[in-house]
Amino acid sequence: DQQVKQNSPSLSVQEGRISILNCDYTNSMFDYFLWYKKYPAEGPTFLISISSIKDKNEDGRFTVFLNKSAKHLSLHIVPSQPGDSAVYFCAATRTSYGKLTFGQGTILTVHP
Amino acid sequence: NAGVMQNPRHLVRRRGQEARLRCSPMKGHSHVYWYRQLPEEGLKFMVYLQKENIIDESGMPKERFSAEFPKEGPSILRIQQVVRGDSAAYFCASSPPGQAINGELFFGEGSRLTVL
Repeated sequence: DQQVKQNSPSLSVQEGRISILNCDYTNSMFDYFLWYKKYPAEGPTFLISISSIKDKNEDGRFTVFLNKSAKHLSLHIVPSQPGDSAVYFCAATRTSYGKLTFGQGTILTVHP
Repeated sequence: NAGVMQNPRHLVRRRGQEARLRCSPMKGHSHVYWYRQLPEEGLKFMVYLQKENIIDESGMPKERFSAEFPKEGPSILRIQQVVRGDSAAYFCASSPPGQAINGELFFGEGSRLTVL
């Protein structure tokens, strides 16, 4: 039962343009959503998060949007940079601790 | 300020052997999590521990897997009688004590287990 899904295995974007990564979830009990970034042979690093009581959270070039009625969230990166090339994981939780349900990941490639 | 330290980074075992993976959390962190990533999949929660206590082990397979976080020393994830399906990357993460952290974890670089 895949409760968090990232349906695009990969995304290719030109440097300077916007990258949009999407994520869908099925469990309406999730109340906190996160994005993690992962480089090869490294562990995931926390990027940005959003509480279910909000619909948008922004941090520099990164913005996360949450549409609760559609059970959908997205990560926007503007402008995209080659160093953003990595695997991006969407995650969700309904606990106050670190028990996360991850999506399968989307490989983002930003071309110079 | 060292991050989460995992060792070994790579471990090769034959079927039926035991695998022990170690994790030292970030300085000041007393909560440890273990996640497993199978090939082409996302990370899956296994267990959440505090010093000398298992808080949530709902993601641990019922047999052959165990985890501990003793008062002194690193957290250990132990897999007995390994099978080929145990081949995966095992990630440890930590968080500070006290407040709710809502999933904002600090991950180690992972231990890659290969079972021949």
